[in-house]
Amino acid sequence: DIQMTQSPSSLSASVGDRVTITCRASQNISRYLNWYQQTPGKAPELLIYGTSNLQSGVPSRFSGSGSGTDFTLTISSLQPEDFATYYCQQSYSTPTFGQGTKVEIK
Amino acid sequence: EVQLVESGGGLIQPGGSLRLSCAASGLTVSSNYMSWVRQALKKGLEWVSIIRSDGSTKYADSVKGRFTISRDNSKNTVYLQMNSLRDEDTAVYFCARAASAGTVWGTWGQGTLVTVSS
Repeated sequence: DIQMTQSPSSLSASVGDRVTITCRASQNISRYLNWYQQTPGKAPELLIYGTSNLQSGVPSRFSGSGSGTDFTLTISSLQPEDFATYYCQQSYSTPTFGQGTKVEIK
Repeated sequence: EVQLVESGGGLIQPGGSLRLSCAASGLTVSSNYMSWVRQALKKGLEWVSIIRSDGSTKYADSVKGRFTISRDNSKNTVYLQMNSLRDEDTAVYFCARAASAGTVWGTWGQGTLVTVSS
């Protein structure tokens, strides 16, 4: 299976900060990379699919980029509702997730 | 409104069996790729199984031979039959629908907790 590695595992940031999370695949997955947001006690929610396509209803402060093995999720200006855990997931082959990045309030 | 509602979780002893249900509304399960994804407590996400619109199925290696995914079109419900349960199967199990054919999940249920313990 393809291994997905996120960094950092956690970060502390303030409202208004620009935040970047990276995700690395153990092999080339083209652009078959998706991002989810999960808050405690809730199901994950799809933010971005196909590396850079914003899911309907997701604010434009979220963006994604990359290809091959290296990908990033950027939040341009962190809002209070963005404090959550973020997961990358590859849909190139048998699906696998990164271990998650917890975004906490500084 | 599209909605997925899981049920059937609970406490079960190692070696036991449990069947989870995912009742769908606002979508037709037979026309979609439906998956089960699980999350151990305070851990990450793990894909478990998928049933495609053509009825074909696939499983994670960790559950192959023990779990079976199926659907009842008349009830618009997807099931996960879990046999020979192990401690490591303890998790919240989510039902999810792919946004299009594949494994990009745009719709999720609220999850049902399965605890395997003696």
